Amino acid sequence: AQSVTQPDIHITVSEGASLELRCNYSYGATPYLFWYVQSPGQGLQLLLKYFSGDTLVQGIKGFEAEFKRSQSSFNLKKPSVHWSDAAEYFCAASSGNTGKLIFGQGTTLQVKP
Amino acid sequence: NAGVTQTPKFQVLKTGQSMTLQCAQDMNHEYMSWYRQDPGMGLRLIHYSVGAGITDQGEVPNGYNVSRSTTEDFPLRLLSAAPSQTSVYFCASSTGGEAFFGQGTRLTVV
Repeated sequence: AQSVTQPDIHITVSEGASLELRCNYSYGATPYLFWYVQSPGQGLQLLLKYFSGDTLVQGIKGFEAEFKRSQSSFNLKKPSVHWSDAAEYFCAASSGNTGKLIFGQGTTLQVKP
Repeated sequence: NAGVTQTPKFQVLKTGQSMTLQCAQDMNHEYMSWYRQDPGMGLRLIHYSVGAGITDQGEVPNGYNVSRSTTEDFPLRLLSAAPSQTSVYFCASSTGGEAFFGQGTRLTVV
């Protein structure tokens, strides 16, 4: 069955430190991959997406993600975290142009001053 | 641009009541979907549509109905609300790639 796994439920980092949120997927073929962010009480905002091509994808708010086919991973990274980055982050995947997303369980990011 | 609009934002229902969650998009997207968000479970697909008149079930369809009579609207109906349907519901639209989400409806069934 198709699935997306985010191994870390909760992560705490200090402001200014680097960040890496993990995401693994299980699909028959390489899916479309996404990272979304959700602030408390809000909807989901797309940070970045990967369809094909360059394995390092740049997104908004200084985020980037690296696609590694051999590890079935799509990890989200940021060199220096800001207090405003505290939120819940979701990795998601879809089988091509279907409009159907499978989400990971989410990772809650806490930023220490 | 309005994007994806969901109404209501909050709703409290009694067990057994029915209601419709509204979703409208103004981006002329073909695909529309409904998800529910529960703590520790991410978002799970309830129903989706690939165009007007075409709908299909997602991962957790039981207790919910949908229809798609126009490109713009995709309402979600709860037939007989149960406490297990207490959740936050998100509607999304897309062209098949990136999905755009509404602000959500927080539903409590008592």
